[in-house]
Amino acid sequence: GNSVTQMEGPVTLSEEAFLTINCTYTATGYPSLFWYVQYPGEGLQLLLKATKADDKGSNKGFEATYRKETTSFHLEKGSVQVSDSAVYFCALTLLNFGNEKLTFGTGTRLTIIP
Amino acid sequence: DTGVSQNPRHKITKRGQNVTFRCDPISEHNRLYWYRQTLGQGPEFLTYFQNEAQLEKSRLLSDRFSAERPKGSFSTLEIQRTEQGDSAMYLCASRKRGPNNEQFFGPGTRLTVL
Repeated sequence: GNSVTQMEGPVTLSEEAFLTINCTYTATGYPSLFWYVQYPGEGLQLLLKATKADDKGSNKGFEATYRKETTSFHLEKGSVQVSDSAVYFCALTLLNFGNEKLTFGTGTRLTIIP
Repeated sequence: DTGVSQNPRHKITKRGQNVTFRCDPISEHNRLYWYRQTLGQGPEFLTYFQNEAQLEKSRLLSDRFSAERPKGSFSTLEIQRTEQGDSAMYLCASRKRGPNNEQFFGPGTRLTVL
């Protein structure tokens, strides 16, 4: 079946540190890949996405590259801020089944300390 | 506010009682999804509607669960004879038709079964 594996958290970093959150996937077919973010007390929001191999998604200083050869979609940011503290979810969907339901990883809680 | 709304935000019930949750999607979105999120896990797909038609149900959705979207607008999720294992956050999402369109999530309904 389809699945997403994320690095386990929680992750704690100092402000301005470099961030990597690892994500690998297993899928039957060619998935689209997503990072969602859940800020404290808020709903899930799409952070970025990539729909085919070698695509790079980017938003708010975050980036992730769709690597088909390693089945990975790692999230990176060069200099994190306190406001980036949240739970980050990697997810995939398969277009060929029509419904585009999302399959999520377990989430990684990120805390940035000043 | 033109986002996805869910009511109630919190529900506490006793084991064996029935509960019903409501989701109001973004008005022009014809796709509607229900997910369940337990503590420390990512959201898991429950069911999907295209307009008023329920097109897919996860095997997570036991026969105690039923969902409807009678006029292709709002949706309800009912759980009969609740069990403690039903305690979770229930998330609703909606999106426009077409490939790779973003799913917009509501804030969720947190259910606690005592």
